Amino acid sequence: DAGVTQSPTHLIKTRGQHVTLRCSPISGHKSVSWYQQVLGQGPQFIFQYYEKEERGRGNFPDRFSARQFPNYSSELNVNALLLGDSALYLCASSLAQLLWGNEQFFGPGTRLTVL
Amino acid sequence: AQTVTQSQPEMSVQEAETVTLSCTYDTSESDYYLFWYKQPPSRQMILVIRQEAYKQQNATENRFSVNFQKAAKSFSLKISDSQLGDAAMYFCAYRSADNQGGKLIFGQGTELSVKP
Repeated sequence: DAGVTQSPTHLIKTRGQHVTLRCSPISGHKSVSWYQQVLGQGPQFIFQYYEKEERGRGNFPDRFSARQFPNYSSELNVNALLLGDSALYLCASSLAQLLWGNEQFFGPGTRLTVL
Repeated sequence: AQTVTQSQPEMSVQEAETVTLSCTYDTSESDYYLFWYKQPPSRQMILVIRQEAYKQQNATENRFSVNFQKAAKSFSLKISDSQLGDAAMYFCAYRSADNQGGKLIFGQGTELSVKP
């Protein structure tokens, strides 16, 4: 079975632009989480979606938004890009929301560079 | 708010030797989960081992084991018989048991190098 997939792999944007990152969870997984990992730091939680509803949100500005589609894939949108948005964006999927046994499986990430 | 601290930015170990990575955390919660993730240069975050806070027994997965000290809020990872493939960035992470968002809180990471 395919793991979590993310597209694109790399992306270069300029300040003020908008970007959309995409994530496809493992087949059968209904929960998707997004994390931002700035170079040299640990990942920071941005959003979690379960059954197409937002179930958790980290300390990120309103420029960041996301949604989950009926097939459980997800998009992360970032508006009015800033230099500080340059990071690796990780997507993680899991079977369900609350069960302890539901490990989060991470995708390979999208490397976003803002110039 | 919960925090996770990894005080060792870099560690080095000789192949076949044992190394211990440190992690401390701060929380007022009594029930939670702790994890160690490995992130090789390929960037894919891989779960190494996990621990339930209500379990006193330390988790073990093959060459990987943890030393969980709940009172001290310490959660170290021991890698035995280190292999070249163990070289990676290691992250300690915390998750509340009642966190409906499944939010993981990560430490800053420890970069492990393995010398042949």
